[in-house]
Amino acid sequence: DAGITQSPRHKVTETGTPVTLRCHQTENHRYMYWYRQDPGHGLRLIHYSYGVKDTDKGEVSDGYSVSRSKTEDFLLTLESATSSQTSVYFCAISETGGETSEAFFGQGTRLTVV
Amino acid sequence: RKEVEQDPGPFNVPEGATVAFNCTYSNSASQSFFWYRQDCRKEPKLLMSVYSSGNEDGRFTAQLNRASQYISLLIRDSKLSDSATYLCVGQGSGGSYIPTFGRGTSLIVHP
Repeated sequence: DAGITQSPRHKVTETGTPVTLRCHQTENHRYMYWYRQDPGHGLRLIHYSYGVKDTDKGEVSDGYSVSRSKTEDFLLTLESATSSQTSVYFCAISETGGETSEAFFGQGTRLTVV
Repeated sequence: RKEVEQDPGPFNVPEGATVAFNCTYSNSASQSFFWYRQDCRKEPKLLMSVYSSGNEDGRFTAQLNRASQYISLLIRDSKLSDSATYLCVGQGSGGSYIPTFGRGTSLIVHP
């Protein structure tokens, strides 16, 4: 299995509080992604990174920010959590982002905003 | 409209049956396709890549039809352990290789 670790694995937080989720990889892969998964919507891309300090928005980026100061770490921050951000968050990595480069996933973070 | 569309199912089949899923994609520029498997409350895991020439791995066969813009997954001799959600993924449109996922198709294999 690819070396991807997400932390925390579970979190309950209150509306309006900031939350940071961490994705750590030991594969030295260039691309890292944050997805959220909700019933009826499947996996939707929040943000992604194609290198240190290089990030871009995905399909559902509103209310989220990211940072990548090192190759191995990709942080997702909810500046002020809302109940609509209750979801399962998956981090993924891919080696080159090229045509045949498949993505590998972390185990997910289950976030509940109350 | 999502870029990658799948029938959510569930497909409910007996052990030993053959079952097929289709996935349609809207962006004709998409270059690469994959099938992932996701078990309940777990992360998606790569099942197989999909090539224009077709791809077979044991009981699993994946096909790509670029003319009709769909990919398929065929599972022969279904096992109880095949019960899962199968996600179709397209990537490579517009010069970007960001994986775009379908919503998934649920398969339930019963005794």
